[in-house]
Amino acid sequence: QVQLVESGGDLVKPGGSLRLSCAASGFTFTDYYMGWIRQAPGKGLEWVSYISTSSSYANHADSVRGRFSISRDNAKNSLYLQMNSLRAEDTAVYYCVRGGQFALYWYFDLWGRGTLVTVSS
Amino acid sequence: QSALTQPPSASGSPGQSVTISCTGTSSDVGDYNYVSWYQQYPGKAPKLIIYEVSKRPSGVPDRFSGSKSGNTASLTVSGLQAEDEADFYCSSYAGNNNLVFGGGTKLTV
Repeated sequence: QVQLVESGGDLVKPGGSLRLSCAASGFTFTDYYMGWIRQAPGKGLEWVSYISTSSSYANHADSVRGRFSISRDNAKNSLYLQMNSLRAEDTAVYYCVRGGQFALYWYFDLWGRGTLVTVSS
Repeated sequence: QSALTQPPSASGSPGQSVTISCTGTSSDVGDYNYVSWYQQYPGKAPKLIIYEVSKRPSGVPDRFSGSKSGNTASLTVSGLQAEDEADFYCSSYAGNNNLVFGGGTKLTV
């Protein structure tokens, strides 16, 4: 069925690195913009990153720019988020999300269940 | 502090209507028709219920409707049902390839 499944969340020390993965199935992955949205415990949603269908375009929120990097492997129907120089404020559930088909219309119609990243010493 | 302002809570009785506001600025809500609304149950992933201000994805009941006036977007839930009790978040494109969210509203039925 149509779904997104995240993995890679873990407990990591401040300054550490982590790579999140998202496996997509049930739809033509190569046709869709993809992204990551996070939610700190008990808090609201925060957009993190997006990437275009062919990886030509990507952008990150100011709060993670220079530390996080989004990428995708269309051959593997997979989305990734490389997270470096992690801080306590990066602690959150990270959701893999599907954006628009062939363009980013700034809404996300398919969400994974999320993976928890905890940054603590 | 969130970029978009939502009331922390809203409530209504079964069968009634309730409207949740989402106030931004002329640089986000007021300038673009890329306002979306998401419904989230505790411990679950958010679900898209409104996109591009007033469009409903397939499968979303027409009891949910969206609108916008100036810098404020609104979500109206008509004919409230117990199953509508959840958190609701608005989002808006804010230019420069940036998306902003509201702080969320807890709806109690």
